[in-house]
Order: sequence, then structure tokens, then C-alpha cells
Amino acid sequence: DTGVSQDPRHKITKRGQNVTFRCDPISEHNRLYWYRQTLGQGPEFLTYFQNEAQLEKSRLLSDRFSAERPKGSFSTLEIQRTEQGDSAMYLCASSRGQGATDTQYFGPGTRLTVL
Amino acid sequence: AQSVTQLGSHVSVSEGALVLLRCNYSSSVPPYLFWYVQYPNQGLQLLLKYTSAATLVKGINGFEAEFKKSETSFHLTKPSAHMSDAAEYFCAVSDLDGYSTLTFGKGTMLLVSP
Repeated sequence: DTGVSQDPRHKITKRGQNVTFRCDPISEHNRLYWYRQTLGQGPEFLTYFQNEAQLEKSRLLSDRFSAERPKGSFSTLEIQRTEQGDSAMYLCASSRGQGATDTQYFGPGTRLTVL
Repeated sequence: AQSVTQLGSHVSVSEGALVLLRCNYSSSVPPYLFWYVQYPNQGLQLLLKYTSAATLVKGINGFEAEFKKSETSFHLTKPSAHMSDAAEYFCAVSDLDGYSTLTFGKGTMLLVSP
């Protein structure tokens, strides 16, 4: 396994700008998750893909957030009109899709700072 | 809804001392439970997981955890701390009814002094 990769690792933007993050899962994994982690908190679930289908979205995912996973491979998370409250670490994870006991493998995260 | 509570945002131990990180869960059915470790500026790495096969679960780097239904606990232990164990540790529970999303505790920072 080459591991889950995320790009960029760091992003600084001004309030109101749009940002897009990319996640490349482990190649044979069909499940992909996005989580958000703020300072002093554990990761919080944002959204989930089974192959190319987005099957669940958290209430944390406002309409300014959109995620895609075209062709069931890499995924992108876009935040439009960023706000200072969006500053956080955005984590991507992937798994084989074997059920609730699946191990989720996490990427290094993208740290977003909104000025 | 399932949840986990980690007692103590920071735990300090001396090198060679016992490590005990506490996690209590709330679930109406037997849950699947996980411990992850996060080193600075890195993603989360799985230490171990409970999937109902055995109540004492052994993980990587000498860590283990015991599932105790009567206490609704899944505490993480290591007999002898090493400086390299200094990191943040997260307990998590898997969503049984949905798509296996994880609900994490707030984390416990382990500090190891020489």
C-alpha cells in the first residue's frame, strides 16, 4: 500500500475565496471518507463515498461544501466563500468496504487557514 | 447515537511507567471500538480495534485494550512508556447502522518525560 495522500498539505486563503482539496485513496479501496478536525477536538465526519456514489453527508457539511469522487478514484472537497470558522485540518480516509469493522486508513491531512 | 468519552485531555507519565488512557462508550448495542494515534503533523494511525472476537485486544507498538461491557469501557494500556509514544490518542466507535463512519472522542495527549 502506498497510503492515502492529500494535496495540498497546507492552504492559506482569504475569507470569501474558494478552495479545493484532493485526496487519493489506497488504490483497491472503494470507500472514501472526509473528516474535519479542529484544534483540541477529535475528527468529525463530513461525508462518505462508496465508489463514485456519495452516500452520506453530515449536517456539518453546509451548502458551501461540495465533494466529488469521479470514477470512484480520487476525491475532491471544495469549500466556496470560505469563512474563518472553516479553518481546520481536513482528513481523508479510505477503506476496503468490508463493513463496520473496516480499518480506515487516514491521509496526512490538509490544514486550512482562513484569514 | 453512539459516542465515546475520553477522560483526561492530557496524561503525563515517566519513561518506563505504565500508560493508561481511558475511553468509555455509549451504545445501545455492542459496539465496534478503535484506538488511533496521531503524531504531530501526521494523519491518524490505527493502534488496535475491538470487533467482538476477543475482549483483550493487542495492537501495535506494545499497546493493548480490554473491552469491558459491564463498565462500558475500552481503556488503552502499555506496560512501559517510551519517549516515542508521545502523541495524541483517539478512541472511536463505528456507526453500526450506517456506513461505518467513525465517531471520535476529543483525544488524549500523552506526554512522556525522561
